[in-house]
Amino acid sequence: AQSVAQPEDQVNVAEGNPLTVKCTYSVSGNPYLFWYVQYPNRGLQFLLKYITGDNLVKGSYGFEAEFNKSQTSFHLKKPSALVSDSALYFCAVREFSGSARQLTFGSGTQLTVLP
Amino acid sequence: GAVVSQHPSWVICKSGTSVKIECRSLDFQATTMFWYRQFPKQSLMLMATSNEGSKATYEQGVEKDKFLINHASLTLSTLTVTSAHPEDSSFYICSARDSRGNNEQFFGPGTRLTVL
Repeated sequence: AQSVAQPEDQVNVAEGNPLTVKCTYSVSGNPYLFWYVQYPNRGLQFLLKYITGDNLVKGSYGFEAEFNKSQTSFHLKKPSALVSDSALYFCAVREFSGSARQLTFGSGTQLTVLP
Repeated sequence: GAVVSQHPSWVICKSGTSVKIECRSLDFQATTMFWYRQFPKQSLMLMATSNEGSKATYEQGVEKDKFLINHASLTLSTLTVTSAHPEDSSFYICSARDSRGNNEQFFGPGTRLTVL
């Protein structure tokens, strides 16, 4: 079985400061890892994904994430937060070679960037 | 880019009525579509996996007779909430998997259902 943990329900950061949203995962094989963002009453928007290759993945809106196999983590980062980054962020995992190949989502982290 | 649409974006209905939500992949074919339910400030919970031309696979605890899913074509899946009750009020999100080699999964904008 695959699972995702987002240990922080809420992250607050001042505008201009770096931000980190944490994610750890568990799969039996190799993972596909994703980050999505959701604004109020909207669907999910894709930010970035890791499949193979470089551990540091760059995505939309200046976000990046670092895949750490030994720590089974895929934390989302941004060097300088914007107020407009305030939203709900979801980490998701899918097993690379699993037959079901469906996404499992974390519980979500509400990011609030304070002006 | 790949776009998934949902219709309606919001709906209010009376208890006991049925509501149909459509999910369309606009510029790609989707052999597989997924239906999720999301409660306020919570994660997405997979309800069912819909495969074109065959019966949907429901997750444990999801009533298949209450949440009817039809995936009649490679670009359209529908979710019908039958005999809706206030506890069915939720945000329903569909997702479509691109049938081409990359198997990317794209999400619709969601449908807000309120049952009075």
